[in-house]
Amino acid sequence: GESVGLHLPTLSVQEGDNSIINCAYSNSASDYFIWYKQESGKGPQFIIDIRSNMDKRQGQRVTVLLNKTVKHLSLQIAATQPGDSAVYFCAESGGNDYKLSFGAGTTVTVRA
Amino acid sequence: DVKVTQSSRYLVKRTGEKVFLECVQDMDHENMFWYRQDPGLGLRLIYFSYDVKMKEKGDIPEGYSVSREKKERFSLILESASTNQTSMYLCASLQRSGANVLTFGAGSRLTVL
Repeated sequence: GESVGLHLPTLSVQEGDNSIINCAYSNSASDYFIWYKQESGKGPQFIIDIRSNMDKRQGQRVTVLLNKTVKHLSLQIAATQPGDSAVYFCAESGGNDYKLSFGAGTTVTVRA
Repeated sequence: DVKVTQSSRYLVKRTGEKVFLECVQDMDHENMFWYRQDPGLGLRLIYFSYDVKMKEKGDIPEGYSVSREKKERFSLILESASTNQTSMYLCASLQRSGANVLTFGAGSRLTVL
């Protein structure tokens, strides 16, 4: 299948700073992208999603940016808090296919 | 609050044993999925089901089978467990209409000795 990858497996962030988590995808037909957060001992939880007809979408303290030209997706977390420490996954699907392909995940650690 | 419940959080089995992982969702979702999660590999799709008694292979179906006799329940079966099936198994469900937002269970960590 197509690959979805994250640039860095780990990210250490100072509390209060902004975090940027990157993801690259290879499937040109992908038209739906989603970010999940997985805290220790829990299943992944939805954070935010974006369709390919958009470049940017904002949620509460999070922003997803999509650059279709270079097949790049990023998640920005504003004013990172200790509760943001988790593994973050990007995922994509294309066309009528509702199956999601996941990246390997980035572990974010917030330093006090 | 919508829920996907995986009945077993931790299991330890021996090589060759038959293993059942159960998943129940209370959202009346049509689609259900089984993923396995391994460090550095992310989530990989094993099987999914888009309706009762319907199933389709995902990316890594070898060594697994599934059962969906009722809409709310999706079972993953390891006919003869092997050590390379030691992993975290995640069940998810999805409503057919709308965005592809999966709701995940908390996971079942399986160790095969």
